[in-house]
Amino acid sequence: AQSVTQLDSQVPVFEEAPVELRCNYSSSVSVYLFWYVQYPNQGLQLLLKYLSGSTLVKGINGFEAEFNKSQTSFHLRKPSVHISDTAEYFCAVSVEQFYFGTGTSLTVIP
Amino acid sequence: DGGITQSPKYLFRKEGQNVTLSCEQNLNHDAMYWYRQDPGQGLRLIYYSQIVNDFQKGDIAEGYSVSREKKESFPLTVTSAQKNPTAFYLCASSISSGTGASYEQYFGPGTRLTVT
Repeated sequence: AQSVTQLDSQVPVFEEAPVELRCNYSSSVSVYLFWYVQYPNQGLQLLLKYLSGSTLVKGINGFEAEFNKSQTSFHLRKPSVHISDTAEYFCAVSVEQFYFGTGTSLTVIP
Repeated sequence: DGGITQSPKYLFRKEGQNVTLSCEQNLNHDAMYWYRQDPGQGLRLIYYSQIVNDFQKGDIAEGYSVSREKKESFPLTVTSAQKNPTAFYLCASSISSGTGASYEQYFGPGTRLTVT
């Protein structure tokens, strides 16, 4: 069975500091990888995706992620966070089905 | 403007009543999905449909029913058999890649259902 593990359930970080949200998946076949953001009482919005090609993927709002096949990871990074980045972040894997991680709550502290 | 609409945003019902949540998309996507979200549990798949007039159970289908009579619409009925229906419900759609895996899912704004 496939699984997606988001290693940190909560990440507090000071404004303008860098942040990394970790995501690992279990799959022996090729996958598509995604990061989504969810603001309170809203649906999920796609931040970025990896389908093929370059392993460094750039997304919206200054986020980027790197696909590491050997470590089966797809960590999300941002060099300098803003208050407005406070939200829930979900990693997802698509194989024959879509699998979501349990989410990481990012809190940006002024 | 292409997208997914869910209505209503907030829904209140008495225990024992069935309730239907609406989901409409104008993205021309073949696949549609329903998820349930509870605090701290991420998203759990209720039902999905890859094509009109066909749908499959997800991980937590008990107490729910769906229909897919039109490509654009995928309503979800929460029946009185669902033991704990209070939750945030999200509808999504996607293009199928043809290999089984789907490309990104697009989400609606969600419906928060409260049953008392």
